[in-house]
Amino acid sequence: GENVEQHPSTLSVQEGDSAVIKCTYSDSASNYFPWYKQELGKRPQLIIDIRSNVGEKKDQRIAVTLNKTAKHFSLHITETQPEDSAVYFCAASMEYGNKLVFGAGTILRVKS
Amino acid sequence: DARVTQTPRHKVTEMGQEVTMRCQPILGHNTVFWYRQTMMQGLELLAYFRNRAPLDDSGMPKDRFSAEMPDATLATLKIQPSEPRDSAVYFCASGLTGPKPYEQYFGPGTRLTVT
Repeated sequence: GENVEQHPSTLSVQEGDSAVIKCTYSDSASNYFPWYKQELGKRPQLIIDIRSNVGEKKDQRIAVTLNKTAKHFSLHITETQPEDSAVYFCAASMEYGNKLVFGAGTILRVKS
Repeated sequence: DARVTQTPRHKVTEMGQEVTMRCQPILGHNTVFWYRQTMMQGLELLAYFRNRAPLDDSGMPKDRFSAEMPDATLATLKIQPSEPRDSAVYFCASGLTGPKPYEQYFGPGTRLTVT
């Protein structure tokens, strides 16, 4: 089955700096890669996703890149703010509506 | 703003007791997922349904866990008997299959503590 690895497990950055979180997946059939943000005590919420027919997607300060050949994808947050502090999860799925396999999560701390 | 709802939000019970968690997916969504979140294991998929039919429950301990969808507006997850190692946050998520960008919407979770 699919396996998703996520690095780093914790990341501390200064406010205004960029943050990058990386994930690798094992199954080349995976074609949908969402990123979820989970604040303390809250539910995971989708912040951005990408499909295998696209190499990059951007939404304001966040962007995701996908390298199908290397089977890895990354989340980029620019101009980080304290409210970006949360746990970020990457995930992979093989088809629409199918189950997501999540990475272990990255705790992002933005220091002001 | 449609949301997935879960009840109860918190549950404290003694080992050996039955626990039932309920989830109301977003109206019109045809896929429901149950996840368990712990510090050690992260987000684990326990079971999921499409059009009320169970598709995969391989992540669920079969001897004590059961998941059902009695109708399109209700999904249940039962643990009988409960054990301290079942203590976790249980999330339900729903989604809609189709050609449009697919997203799983998570409920607020049920925080279960088994003593």
